[in-house]
Amino acid sequence: DTGVSQDPRHKITKRGQNVTFRCDPISEHNRLYWYRQTLGQGPEFLTYFQNEAQLEKSRLLSDRFSAERPKGSFSTLEIQRTEQGDSAMYLCASSPARITEAFFGQGTRLTVV
Amino acid sequence: GQQVMQIPQYQHVQEGEDFTTYCNSSTTLSNIQWYKQRPGGHPVFLIQLVKSGEVKKQKRLTFQFGEAKKNSSLHITATQTTDVGTYFCAALLSGGSYIPTFGRGTSLIVHP
Repeated sequence: DTGVSQDPRHKITKRGQNVTFRCDPISEHNRLYWYRQTLGQGPEFLTYFQNEAQLEKSRLLSDRFSAERPKGSFSTLEIQRTEQGDSAMYLCASSPARITEAFFGQGTRLTVV
Repeated sequence: GQQVMQIPQYQHVQEGEDFTTYCNSSTTLSNIQWYKQRPGGHPVFLIQLVKSGEVKKQKRLTFQFGEAKKNSSLHITATQTTDVGTYFCAALLSGGSYIPTFGRGTSLIVHP
């Protein structure tokens, strides 16, 4: 296992389209996080899973965003009816337990045109 | 919004000079983590501080956690061009799910 894997690495979509991103965490990591990062900012928390349970979701997260982790392994993040403001790097991270380091994937860069 | 403030936002140094970035929170933190993100890369974990007043060193990097567990600093001695990147602190708040909450980061630019 070489680390957290994200797919695709880049996505260009037209405004109003739906997009889905995938994250494969490090195996046996039961904690999985999605973050969003824009230029000049730190990663902004979106949502968190422990195994298959989505335990926290940012209050700032629009209803257009949804995430799943159906079998407690890989996760998907879907954005419906994309807007230009959704353009960002979407980062996935995993960790084996609480209060431990998070391992980040390379991210998916979304551009909404 | 983010609950940790980091300063400065940018820092230009000549190679060989020292560098320090500061992280401050209005609330008591359980732990604090530091990450480095190279240009075009993803955040990579550097260290975690847990105890009040804790000091940890990694070669030229020194990390401190304040006595009140509300602030932290990262100091780099004699910067090198390989130190270029953005350094983030990430707070883990007690009483919650211990989700790393990131500061805005300090971008370090090292001039040769």
